[in-house]
Amino acid sequence: GAVVSQHPSRVICKSGTSVKIECRSLDFQATTMFWYRQFPKQSLMLMATSNEGSKATYEQGVEKDKFLINHASLTLSTLTVTSAHPEDSSFYICSASGGTSGFEQFFGPGTRLTVL
Amino acid sequence: ILNVEQSPQSLHVQEGDSTNFTCSFPSSNFYALHWYRWETAKSPEALFVMTLNGDEKKKGRISATLNTKEGYSYLYIKGSQPEDSATYLCAFGGSGYALNFGKGTSLLVTP
Repeated sequence: GAVVSQHPSRVICKSGTSVKIECRSLDFQATTMFWYRQFPKQSLMLMATSNEGSKATYEQGVEKDKFLINHASLTLSTLTVTSAHPEDSSFYICSASGGTSGFEQFFGPGTRLTVL
Repeated sequence: ILNVEQSPQSLHVQEGDSTNFTCSFPSSNFYALHWYRWETAKSPEALFVMTLNGDEKKKGRISATLNTKEGYSYLYIKGSQPEDSATYLCAFGGSGYALNFGKGTSLLVTP
């Protein structure tokens, strides 16, 4: 299967700082990337969908000015949590699809964000 | 948000036991049903993508069935091994569409 990397795997930051998370498709071109987050004992919830070269589409309740998504190339998407607060502490995970993957989505290993 | 339910929430079996989990999903506007296996600190690994009613897929000791008319899928593991311990996620979605996940079934297989 295709490989998706995600960095960092874990980050701890102070309240008010910004954190950038990178998602890379290593061996295929990802025309679409998705960002999810998971709170404890909950399911993965979609935050936004991004297509290469265009603006991301955000789910209801997700602030686009707080969670900045950039998908400038077919192998890289970034999620920046701006002015992070403790309630943003969560597990963030990306997935990618495209090319010959069809219905399949390939996931990164996720990023655990803790905001102090 | 589409409601995807998985049961049981967790399962503890002995090595060699066979087991199965259930995923229920909306039966209308079906695109595809995905099963993932997720080990701690690793990426979710795609097991199956199922699109047709009546689909049955198999990968080694793991198999899955799909009933789109009644909105459920079963995942079966035959002769569970400790390395099968993981969280098994199902998700409803399709090409170009985001996935709606269940909360997962956490499986622990002890020797």
